[in-house]
Amino acid sequence: NAGVTQTPKFQVLKTGQSMTLQCAQDMNHEYMSWYRQDPGMGLRLIHYSVGAGITDQGEVPNGYNVSRSTTEDFPLRLLSAAPSQTSVYFCASTHGSGGWNEQFFGPGTRLTVL
Amino acid sequence: GQQVMQIPQYQHVQEGEDFTTYCNSSTTLSNIQWYKQRPGGHPVFLIQLVKSGEVKKQKRLTFQFGEAKKNSSLHITATQTTDVGTYFCAGPRGAGGTSYGKLTFGQGTILTVHP
Repeated sequence: NAGVTQTPKFQVLKTGQSMTLQCAQDMNHEYMSWYRQDPGMGLRLIHYSVGAGITDQGEVPNGYNVSRSTTEDFPLRLLSAAPSQTSVYFCASTHGSGGWNEQFFGPGTRLTVL
Repeated sequence: GQQVMQIPQYQHVQEGEDFTTYCNSSTTLSNIQWYKQRPGGHPVFLIQLVKSGEVKKQKRLTFQFGEAKKNSSLHITATQTTDVGTYFCAGPRGAGGTSYGKLTFGQGTILTVHP
């Protein structure tokens, strides 16, 4: 199994540009999440999904959209990039059963917005 | 909203010294998890604690969950250079099944080990 994969690994955008960060998992996990990581702030939840067709906002959702058309894929869209969105973005998935909540993280996308 | 505080933010130790990081939640947690992130890498799951007062060991790592289920600690005995990285605690943002996939992370403790 490849686990959780993310593309691209690195991206530089100009202010106002849009882009989609890709995330896929091959573990048949129902639950998927997007986090951003900034220095000294840990990881903060952007959006999450409890299954295909169901998404909800996390702690810092503004400026981001998500959709979940299949169990495997959970793309994150930046509508109009801003310098404040410069960060490292991690996608994660979990099976979510019996109270076990182990998150499997992808390798991350390092985004710079100029 | 729910907050998870973690201290210290940085810890420098000599190889062979012990290390402890502490995690405190503003709310009672149904469980707490710990993750390790190597420099340039992604978080990797270490353990989940569920029961009040629970203590679990993984080789040189000892994890504790407080009696009130609002605090936790990770202790590493005799650190090695392979222990370098950032250690995060994380608690679920909701209750029961609604919390799957939703975590509130502490700020992390960056551990440096000098050989």
